Amino acid sequence: DIQLTQSPSFLSASVGDRVSINCRASQGITNHLAWCQQKPGKAPTLLIYDASTLRSGVPSRFSGSGSGTEFTLTISSLQPEDFATYYCHQINTYPPTFGGGTKVEI
Amino acid sequence: QVRLVQSGAEVGKPGASVKVSCKASGYFFTTYYIHWVRQAPGQGLEWMGMVNPSGDTTSYAQKFQGRVTMTWDTSASTAYLELKSLRSEDTAVYFCTRESISCFGHWGQGTLVTVSS
Repeated sequence: DIQLTQSPSFLSASVGDRVSINCRASQGITNHLAWCQQKPGKAPTLLIYDASTLRSGVPSRFSGSGSGTEFTLTISSLQPEDFATYYCHQINTYPPTFGGGTKVEI
Repeated sequence: QVRLVQSGAEVGKPGASVKVSCKASGYFFTTYYIHWVRQAPGQGLEWMGMVNPSGDTTSYAQKFQGRVTMTWDTSASTAYLELKSLRSEDTAVYFCTRESISCFGHWGQGTLVTVSS
């Protein structure tokens, strides 16, 4: 199985901050990595797929980069509604796997 | 638009079974795989398995082999997850999710399953 290791697990930040979350894959997955956001009590929602493609309707302050084994989600200017938990995931190599999550809090 | 609507919360006793449904709309049901993912309280996301309605196949995570059955009803555009021999550690929110472009692009709202005697 492909292991996805996210760092950090927790991130304390303020509104307006630029934050980055990393996701490392245990083996190369080209660009087949996605990022989701999850708020308490809600289902995850897709933000980015294919490492850097923004889903339609997602604010442009979110961006993704990377390929192979190293990936990054960046929020350029944190907004109040961005305080949530973020997960990377890959489904191209079975079984699908998720990172452990990064909780972004104030 | 694509929607996945899940059945309501369930309570099951240890050793019993529970069945959760996921009704899809907004797309042709057999075109995409449906996966099931669970999340224990305060924990991360765990893949359980998937169904391929057009290929008439299923695939389960090794951890759940023998305890889980995933089925579907094409005429009702609905996928089902049945988990047997419930244990306390099966208490979790269970999500259905549909594959999109190399990712899980659409999610149901989640179904809380509580295992309690």
